Amino acid sequence: DTAVSQTPKYLVTQMGNDKSIKCEQNLGHDTMYWYKQDSKKFLKIMFSYNNKELIINETVPNRFSPKSPDKAHLNLHINSLELGDSAVYFCASSQQGVNEKLFFGSGTQLSVL
Amino acid sequence: AQSVTQPDIHITVSEGASLELRCNYSYGATPYLFWYVQSPGQGLQLLLKYFSGDTLVQGIKGFEAEFKRSQSSFNLRKPSVHWSDAAEYFCAVGGYNQGGKLIFGQGTELSVKP
Repeated sequence: DTAVSQTPKYLVTQMGNDKSIKCEQNLGHDTMYWYKQDSKKFLKIMFSYNNKELIINETVPNRFSPKSPDKAHLNLHINSLELGDSAVYFCASSQQGVNEKLFFGSGTQLSVL
Repeated sequence: AQSVTQPDIHITVSEGASLELRCNYSYGATPYLFWYVQSPGQGLQLLLKYFSGDTLVQGIKGFEAEFKRSQSSFNLRKPSVHWSDAAEYFCAVGGYNQGGKLIFGQGTELSVKP
């Protein structure tokens, strides 16, 4: 069983569209995250949720809206996609913040044309 | 400013040779330090972490890292590299009560020659 699964793995779309990426973890963790990896492989945190509550919001444009229906799911919705949104988006989870290791999903490669 | 620097973008070593990947950090509080590995098309996997105590930490797959506070470094080492170690390696720093926020370096790509 995959611990942290995200779908889709690849997403190709046109500028201006709205898209969602879904993430689910079956580890029973309390905290979930979205990280963005740009073309230079820099990984940067976008959001974190703890038990469905937003903990970290790292100056991400309002076009990005995370939603956590329960502590096992953290979805990322992106409105009005722009070329600069092209990146690999990773979902991750952990049990107790930074004290425990992060478990990463395999990533969603988003290409905005 | 909080940052992590991995000076080497790409390193190539021969199989069986030793490996050292460099990591320097800048962090305002007591750092928690991590090394993650990313295989192509995969997510990141934790190799090892340092919170406190013994400054030499052992990880999975035969890796170890040494924390040197005076040099603000946390270099990753392996005595004998295997072809399967070819991957991207990321150093990261976090801190207590930071909500799990990690600051990553830009990564070092490791290639292994037969």
